[in-house]
Amino acid sequence: EDQVTQSPEALRLQEGESSSLNCSYTVSGLRGLFWYRQDPGKGPEFLFTLYSAGEEKEKERLKATLTKKESFLHITAPKPEDSATYLCAVQANDYKLSFGAGTTVTVRA
Amino acid sequence: DTEVTQTPKHLVMGMTNKKSLKCEQHMGHRAMYWYKQKAKKPPELMFVYSYEKLSINESVPSRFSPECPNSSLLNLHLHALQPEDSALYLCASSHEPTANEQYFGPGTRLTVT
Repeated sequence: EDQVTQSPEALRLQEGESSSLNCSYTVSGLRGLFWYRQDPGKGPEFLFTLYSAGEEKEKERLKATLTKKESFLHITAPKPEDSATYLCAVQANDYKLSFGAGTTVTVRA
Repeated sequence: DTEVTQTPKHLVMGMTNKKSLKCEQHMGHRAMYWYKQKAKKPPELMFVYSYEKLSINESVPSRFSPECPNSSLLNLHLHALQPEDSALYLCASSHEPTANEQYFGPGTRLTVT
C-alpha cells in the first residue's frame, strides 16, 4: 500500500528564517510526486510535479527536490503570506493520488 | 486558465434533505474527481470520471451519487446524509485520467445537521 509521511506536522518560522519540509514515501512504481499549498477552507493549489530522483523545481521562495525515498520543500526567506498547509502527494501506477497529512507552516512578521 | 469552479461555497442541510454540489471546468480536461476532506486531514478520493464515465468509486456510500452530464460538468447528489458527512468537498480535474497534475476547485463546505 502506498504511504506518504510528512514532517514536521507544524512549523513556526520567523520572517526570513529559511527551513525545509520533508515528504517520505513508499510507493510501487512512482509516476510523480506533487506539492500543493492549501489555505484554510480552500482547495489545494498546485505547486510542483517531480518525476525522477535528482529533479528540482523552483517557484519564487519555494524549491522542491526529489530523491528515491523522499522529497523536500525548501522555503527560502519566507514571508507571512507563505503561511499555509503544504501537502505532498504521490501518484503510482494506478494513477490515484495518495496525500500526506500535510505540514502547517506559520510565518511570523 | 487553470480554474475549477464549485457551487455552492457553503451548504447546510438536514439529514432528510436532497441537495446537489456542482463543479465546472473549461480547460478541456477529460478527467474529473470528487474528494472529501475533513478538518486537518488530507483529501480523500471519492470518485473519478474519465471521459464522462465513472472509472473509480472508492466504496463511497450510496447516499452520495455522482453524475457527469458532459465533459465540463460534474455533480454530486446528496441524499439522507449523516452528520459525519460534514466536510469540505473538493472537485478536481486533469487533462487525462493518467495525467499527473490535478487542479482543484475552492470546495464546498457542507454541514449536515
